[in-house]
Parts: sequence; C-alpha cells; structure tokens
Amino acid sequence: NAGVTQTPKFQVLKTGQSMTLQCAQDMNHEYMSWYRQDPGMGLRLIHYSVGAGITDQGEVPNGYNVSRSTTEDFPLRLLSAAPSQTSVYFCASSSDVHGEKLFFGSGTQLSVL
Amino acid sequence: SQQGEEDPQALSIQEGENATMNCSYKTSINNLQWYRQNSGRGLVHLILIRSNEREKHSGRLRVTLDTSKKSSSLLITASRAADTASYFCATDPTWYQLIWGAGTKLIIKP
Repeated sequence: NAGVTQTPKFQVLKTGQSMTLQCAQDMNHEYMSWYRQDPGMGLRLIHYSVGAGITDQGEVPNGYNVSRSTTEDFPLRLLSAAPSQTSVYFCASSSDVHGEKLFFGSGTQLSVL
Repeated sequence: SQQGEEDPQALSIQEGENATMNCSYKTSINNLQWYRQNSGRGLVHLILIRSNEREKHSGRLRVTLDTSKKSSSLLITASRAADTASYFCATDPTWYQLIWGAGTKLIIKP
C-alpha cells in the first residue's frame, strides 16, 4: 500500500502564481486534511473533509481552496501565492471521521519568492 | 492558537536512558494523541489516550493523562538512536479539528 501520496515534494513559486498540491490516499479513508508546518510552531489545520463532496475550513484557510470529488483525492489550491505561504504542507487521512490516528504524507516544501 | 504545548522544547540524552516529555493543554478534550516526526518526514501516529483513561502502554512507550491538570506525559524507555525525532501532542477540543503543540526535539546520543 502506498498510503498517503503527496506531490510535488518541492516547489518554488513567484508571488501571485497559483498552483495545486496533490494528495491521494489508497486506504479508503473518509477523513482527509491539509496542514501547514512552520518552524517553531505546531501543525495548523488549513482545510479538512469528512467525505466526498464535504469540505470545511480549519484554523488558517485564507488563501487556500480545496475540493473533494472522490474519496481518494484531496487537492489543495493556492490561489495567488504570497511569501507568507512559504511552509511545509502535509496531507493526512484517517479512517475515523473525527481525525483520530492520522496517516501523513511525506510533505511538500513550498517556497514563495 | 496553540492548544497543546510540549515541554521541554529540546531534550538530549544518552542511549539507553529514559526520555520524558510533557504536553499541556487548555480546554477539555475527548482524547490526546502523540506523534513522532523524523527529520524531513511526515508524522507517524504513536499512541492515543482517551479522556477517561489515565495510562496507556505501547511497547517502550508509556503515556499518562491527567485531565484535572490538563497535562499528559510521554515516556520512552531504554532509548535508542532511532528514537531521535521530534514528538508532538495533538488534542481535539472540537470534533474534526486537532490542535497541535510545537513539539519536543529529542536527540539520543550514542
């Protein structure tokens, strides 16, 4: 099993550019989420989904969009990249709809210049 | 806002010694989870303890939870070089959304 797969692993953007971070899981998990991790801080929740067609905002949703058309995929879109979005992004999934026992992808390191 | 705060921020011990790290939180919870993150990698779930549990074991890991003090501790016994990592606690003050601490960086010296 591949688990949670994130692409790309590294990305450099210019301010104002848009891009999509991909996340796919093959464990048939209903719960999926996106986090960002900044130095010296804990993970902060951006968006989450409890099933196909259902998404909701987390703690820091501004500047990001998500959609969930299938159980497997949960892409994160940066609409107009800003330097403040420089961070490491993690996708995570769980068989529990409340987000217990998360499985994490290996992360995307994003730099916005 | 940060619900969980780990203490200490960094810990360096000799291989074979025990490592203890603590997590404090602010509001009532349903459960508390501990995760490990090796450098440059995603987080890995270690153990979950529910609010009605006081202690839980998994291999060399022992977790305690004191809801009256809003705190938890993670004990790793007989540490190994492979235990070098950052350790995070996560709590669930609301359904669906976990709140994370900033982590404890553990270094095991050979």
